[in-house]
Amino acid sequence: SAVISQKPSRDICQRGTSLTIQCQVDSQVTMMFWYRQQPGQSLTLIATANQGSEATYESGFVIDKFPISRPNLTFSTLTVSNMSPEDSSIYLCSVEGRGQREAFFGQGTRLTVV
Amino acid sequence: AQSVTQPDIHITVSEGASLELRCNYSYGATPYLFWYVQSPGQGLQLLLKYFSGDTLVQGIKGFEAEFKRSQSSFNLRKPSVHWSDAAEYFCAVDSGNTGKLIFGQGTTLQVKP
Repeated sequence: SAVISQKPSRDICQRGTSLTIQCQVDSQVTMMFWYRQQPGQSLTLIATANQGSEATYESGFVIDKFPISRPNLTFSTLTVSNMSPEDSSIYLCSVEGRGQREAFFGQGTRLTVV
Repeated sequence: AQSVTQPDIHITVSEGASLELRCNYSYGATPYLFWYVQSPGQGLQLLLKYFSGDTLVQGIKGFEAEFKRSQSSFNLRKPSVHWSDAAEYFCAVDSGNTGKLIFGQGTTLQVKP
């Protein structure tokens, strides 16, 4: 299994500001993913964080709004830029365990934009 | 496009009663199938998964699920529900063997004493 640490666990931010969420894994992993869970909704994939190259974004998500870094095989960050109340969500980091067809999730970051 | 449907948004069962949560997927081949549980304020925990082989899979916490190719379904079951099972349950598929998951809308389970 993989143990994932996400920081911060929650935050309240002013509109127009940006928040960077960190995801640290206790082992090297190839695939890291970022999901968004809007209030009362399911999880939607934002992007795949690629080590050594730009992230791959899903339809409806753009790099300017959700820049992602992946400096090594154990760490990634997601920034939510120029926030609005519509960005209030839980953001979750996910990794695929090495040699396992199974996704592990962090505890999530609960973001409230006021 | 691939999709996952959980027809029941909210289910209430009495403690000790049996449970079945429905999940249907839309995909041309057999995807990798998962059930996750999310307790309030918690991350997602994997209950069970199906890749191939025996269509009845056992998971943690006494849960099982049955893959039915003819019905494109992967329903989650538990013979006797405990109050601690109250949570949000998500069915998910990895349709392209990419590690990227497509989630259903989720089913909220409430357990009555």
